[in-house]
Amino acid sequence: KAGVTQTPRYLIKTRGQQVTLSCSPISGHRSVSWYQQTPGQGLQFLFEYFSETQRNKGNFPGRFSGRQFSNSRSEMNVSTLELGDSALYLCASSLRGGQQIYGYTFGSGTRLTVV
Amino acid sequence: DAKTTQPPSMDCAEGRAANLPCNHSTISGNEYVYWYRQIHSQGPQYIIHGLKNNETNEMASLIITEDRKSSTLILPHATLRDTAVYYCIVRADNYGQNFVFGPGTRLSVLP
Repeated sequence: KAGVTQTPRYLIKTRGQQVTLSCSPISGHRSVSWYQQTPGQGLQFLFEYFSETQRNKGNFPGRFSGRQFSNSRSEMNVSTLELGDSALYLCASSLRGGQQIYGYTFGSGTRLTVV
Repeated sequence: DAKTTQPPSMDCAEGRAANLPCNHSTISGNEYVYWYRQIHSQGPQYIIHGLKNNETNEMASLIITEDRKSSTLILPHATLRDTAVYYCIVRADNYGQNFVFGPGTRLSVLP
């Protein structure tokens, strides 16, 4: 079956712009989580959505937001981009969110570069 | 903060077993031990998880000490494709519990 699909794979934006990243979970998976990965901070949790509701949120500023649609696809948005937002953004899906004992299946990520 | 401690790097000869240790001395009774790995520029990949019994699957074995304060991931016959960063994570099986990744162990499999 198809894995977690993230688009686009690469993105270059200018400081101050906004960006929207997309994630299509594995068919049947209802939970989507987003992570940011940078060389300095490693993998950090952004937020989790389950059945179109945000259930958990990491320690990121309000410029980072997300949503989930009725088909479980998810988008995350970053407004007023800063150079420090340059990172690999990873999406992960699971059947039942936090209670999915087998954990999450990650996509390959979107590499965002802010110049 | 991550609740686990791992060595930052390890080397292993190709074809030999790779034993990756993890300390999780504050683990709670309802927390599982998960292992993921991340090959360069890809998303993390699930390897194995366990609660208190040793576990084995087609990728690896997980050995958890009786007091559950540490564990070891074993790749029985490491190949060059096993070169990756390996993350040990403890997480309760409750709603709303996200995975907290530490810096992991960078395993280099050498020819």
